[in-house]
Amino acid sequence: EAQVTQNPRYLITVTGKKLTVTCSQNMNHEYMSWYRQDPGLGLRQIYYSMNVEVTDKGDVPEGYKVSRKEKRNFPLILESPSPNQTSLYFCASKLSRESTGELFFGEGSRLTVL
Amino acid sequence: GENVEQHPSTLSVQEGDSAVIKCTYSDSASNYFPWYKQELGKGPQLIIDIRSNVGEKKDQRIAVTLNKTAKHFSLHITETQPEDSAVYFCAASGRGGSARQLTFGSGTQLTVLP
Repeated sequence: EAQVTQNPRYLITVTGKKLTVTCSQNMNHEYMSWYRQDPGLGLRQIYYSMNVEVTDKGDVPEGYKVSRKEKRNFPLILESPSPNQTSLYFCASKLSRESTGELFFGEGSRLTVL
Repeated sequence: GENVEQHPSTLSVQEGDSAVIKCTYSDSASNYFPWYKQELGKGPQLIIDIRSNVGEKKDQRIAVTLNKTAKHFSLHITETQPEDSAVYFCAASGRGGSARQLTFGSGTQLTVLP
């Protein structure tokens, strides 16, 4: 089944404790992206990747890191999480780097930073 | 960069009535306008999209209209059903692969009352 898989789905952590949210897609998609969803703010892009070893900042990159060493994986790293990073996170992918085309989303990862 | 505004933030309709959600965008170079539906506990899913060379597109009970001059586009759902209850996001995308691609609106919580 074609899908985007995120882990963990739920996580409660404390300020400063490094964490990684994994994302994997099995559709051989070139483009991958991370979004955070907050009430009243919609989906805001954190980072995106056009292809392996190519990443770029989105609208809200502060406090996050990403890497794209393999085409299928695009982990999101919070080196020193803070309470303002409490949010619902979505990984998404699409076939190509073109601006059109369907984005496929994962089921989301709800993160709470105490 | 692109700015997308979406209204209303919440919308309640009686089953069988129509629902309309409106979005405006700021970048006249944007040329792709998708709509995503997010059911409770899931990631957003594409329901319909429109490109800038088309003024209207229909798919069964849903339709999208685009007014490039005024820089706004709308989602129309007719004969609403309880399963239409969800959060709906509009988005706009500019040309070229180097842009941040999709910018989302803030979302509309649609509730269809039985």
